[in-house]
Amino acid sequence: KAGVTQTPRYLIKTRGQQVTLSCSPISGHRSVSWYQQTPGQGLQFLFEYFSETQRNKGNFPGRFSGRQFSNSRSEMNVSTLELGDSALYLCASSPGHLELFFGEGSRLTVL
Amino acid sequence: QQQVKQSPQSLIVQKGGISIINCAYENTAFDYFPWYQQFPGKGPALLIAIRPDVSEKKEGRFTISFNKSAKQFSLHIMDSQPGDSATYFCAAHTGNQFYFGTGTSLTVIP
Repeated sequence: KAGVTQTPRYLIKTRGQQVTLSCSPISGHRSVSWYQQTPGQGLQFLFEYFSETQRNKGNFPGRFSGRQFSNSRSEMNVSTLELGDSALYLCASSPGHLELFFGEGSRLTVL
Repeated sequence: QQQVKQSPQSLIVQKGGISIINCAYENTAFDYFPWYQQFPGKGPALLIAIRPDVSEKKEGRFTISFNKSAKQFSLHIMDSQPGDSATYFCAAHTGNQFYFGTGTSLTVIP
């Protein structure tokens, strides 16, 4: 079974730009969640989607948004990028049994 | 506000030694406590997990000890190996959401 696929793996943007990250979950997994990983902060929860509905949202500004499509694929968008948005963005899918299956992440650098 | 506090931030252990990572929490609504292992360039992967009605769970060389009254849980890696060198995250779950600790970078010296 293919794992969680995240694209792109690496990207560089400048302040003020926007970025869209994509996540394809494991086949059959309907829950997709997103995390921001930075050194010293660990994994910070962004949001979780289940069957195209956002079920939970973390404590991030409105510049961070996401969506899930009918095939469970998910995207997250960050608008008006700031230097502090530089991080590894991880997507995780779940079959609903409390286990998260993470992708390898998209590493965003904001210059 | 960090809901799950993890220590130490980094840990160096000799091969064959015991690695111990600790986590503490306050929210009594947490109902599931997993540990994730992350190698460089990879996403975290579930290592072992425990529910609060159990005081200890062992899987191979990995053991979770859980103290409900103290609101603490820890990961013990027995006979630590160089291949165990990775970053370890504790986490706690409630309401369809996971809260992660800040991570511990473990280095096992041959």
